[in-house]
Amino acid sequence: DADVTQTPRNRITKTGKRIMLECSQTKGHDRMYWYRQDPGLGLQLIYYSFDVKDINKGEISDGYSVSRQAQAKFSLSLESAIPNQTALYFCATSGAGGREQFFGPGTRLTVL
Amino acid sequence: GQSLEQPSEVTAVEGAIVQINCTYQTSGFYGLSWYQQHDGGAPTFLSYNALDGLEETGRFSSFLSRSDSYGYLLLQELQMKDSASYFCAVSGSGGSYIPTFGRGTSLIVHP
Repeated sequence: DADVTQTPRNRITKTGKRIMLECSQTKGHDRMYWYRQDPGLGLQLIYYSFDVKDINKGEISDGYSVSRQAQAKFSLSLESAIPNQTALYFCATSGAGGREQFFGPGTRLTVL
Repeated sequence: GQSLEQPSEVTAVEGAIVQINCTYQTSGFYGLSWYQQHDGGAPTFLSYNALDGLEETGRFSSFLSRSDSYGYLLLQELQMKDSASYFCAVSGSGGSYIPTFGRGTSLIVHP
């Protein structure tokens, strides 16, 4: 079984809809992250969490929110989706040192 | 803030050696990481350099010069499966080791 899983893998939605992307991990890591990837722009950090009670904004958090339901679960929400949020979204985890990140398979989101 | 520069594309032939450079600017520095990403797939960790010098892992090596704010990834004995995007990432200030990623280098390996 994969160490980091994401659901759904693909999603098409309409402008204004609320969307939730979910991430689960079995690596036992405390640290979890959400990234967005656009073609040619690398990975941009949206939010990160160092434990269940710790949530921090990344460089592009506007329009997004997160919930850390348990050590193993970290979800990303788009309260009112807009077309420029069309992108590939990755969840990642790391250990306490944070030097190596383990990525999920990604969710391809299209907002029409 | 932090910023990184790496070439957008590099091409090479099978069996050759290729070097992907990365220069960075950061207010604090902990280390430089490299990740590989095949088209549409998840990024996977390749290496991490915290100290100056060369780290070798099989066909891949990574180099860091902190004084020059520069590093590179060296791929030897290139194979077709090495065609992918390669990202450098710098971990900087705050003690959190959260990486900032470059825009990636697309490596195309020709037969």
